Amino acid sequence: AQTVTQSQPEMSVQEAETVTLSCTYDTSESDYYLFWYKQPPSRQMILVIRQEAYKQQNATENRFSVNFQKAAKSFSLKISDSQLGDAAMYFCAYRFDYKLSFGAGTTVTVRA
Amino acid sequence: GAVVSQHPSWVICKSGTSVKIECRSLDFQATTMFWYRQFPKQSLMLMATSNEGSKATYEQGVEKDKFLINHASLTLSTLTVTSAHPEDSSFYICSASTIYSGLGTETQYFGPGTRLLVL
Repeated sequence: AQTVTQSQPEMSVQEAETVTLSCTYDTSESDYYLFWYKQPPSRQMILVIRQEAYKQQNATENRFSVNFQKAAKSFSLKISDSQLGDAAMYFCAYRFDYKLSFGAGTTVTVRA
Repeated sequence: GAVVSQHPSWVICKSGTSVKIECRSLDFQATTMFWYRQFPKQSLMLMATSNEGSKATYEQGVEKDKFLINHASLTLSTLTVTSAHPEDSSFYICSASTIYSGLGTETQYFGPGTRLLVL
């Protein structure tokens, strides 16, 4: 079974600063997808960013970017210029064979 | 695009009754739908996967007779919690993916979730 580990239960960041969330995963596959989802207090899961494992280039979506290290099985998320609306729980997820495995989540707090 | 709705958003029921939760893809045809359960401040646990017109595939440890899943059309899946008990109280989330359109088959789009409280 594939496992996803998020080692940071909570992270705090000052508004306009940068925060990086870590994620590692365990797999023997070579072709898969990785995702970061955001879950604000409303509990609606929102897709933040996705990465295809066969692509070397790190995905970027506006202020969100990832550092994908395939050999190290690491997939960290960087939030730049943090905004109050970024406060949420962030889940790293691994997809193989259509199923998603989620990490335990990291709660991000943004200080004004 | 890629909007998924759930109804109801909040339900309270008495122990022993059954509750049905609907999950709809509003602007795309969902070839596959997923049902998750989430406890407070915890991660999502996949309960089952359903493809339109076929029986759901349940994850290990999930009682298929308690959690009935139907995926009768490309836009609707339902989860029925039968003979609900207080331990079934949780947050239930559905998601959907599609082989059609340009959304990408690898991505799941989530509904807003349903809070179930069994008294």
